[in-house]
Amino acid sequence: GEDVEQSLFLSVREGDSSVINCTYTDSSSTYLYWYKQEPGAGLQLLTYIFSNMDMKQDQRLTVLLNKKDKHLSLRIADTQTGDSAIYFCAERSGGYQKVTFGTGTKLQVIP
Amino acid sequence: EAGVTQFPSHSVIEKGQTVTLRCDPISGHDNLYWYRRVMGKEIKFLLHFVKESKQDESGMPNNRFLAERTGGTYSTLKVQPAELEDSGVYFCASSLLTGANTEAFFGQGTRLTVV
Repeated sequence: GEDVEQSLFLSVREGDSSVINCTYTDSSSTYLYWYKQEPGAGLQLLTYIFSNMDMKQDQRLTVLLNKKDKHLSLRIADTQTGDSAIYFCAERSGGYQKVTFGTGTKLQVIP
Repeated sequence: EAGVTQFPSHSVIEKGQTVTLRCDPISGHDNLYWYRRVMGKEIKFLLHFVKESKQDESGMPNNRFLAERTGGTYSTLKVQPAELEDSGVYFCASSLLTGANTEAFFGQGTRLTVV
């Protein structure tokens, strides 16, 4: 079945860039997502990328996709304390509604 | 506009008891999903409703779990009898469309603890 893997923890200093990595196994993945979960809150869709794209930039967020290696990354520029949260990588195959999530990466931003 | 709301936010029950979780999707969203995150692991899909019909229930762990969506509005997820391994955070999500890349909006989750 599909599998999505992420490192569990990342710590960065405020103002630095954060890079959260993710690998997935489903070669038919069509959509790849990054969700953010702040403490006590639900999952918030941060950004997504279609599998035919290599990169997507949205303000401080940059998503890079290496489809050959099935590797997805999320770069947060100028990381702020408000970015502290758990970040989930997820994928969905076209035609299916089921989203497969990774374990989540807990980002800690040190002031 | 109200988002996806889930009740209760927390529930602590004893092993063998029954618990019912409720999800109110965004009004007008025909698609409703249940997911579960167990003990810091990945968030796993449980099932998908389109209106009142179960479209995909391949992620339901076993027959102790029963999901319903009578009338195609809110949904309930009942666990009976609850076991220790059922502890986790149960998320509900809803989306407007089934095709293309439609965003699913998630609720804040229900944290279930079985003791």
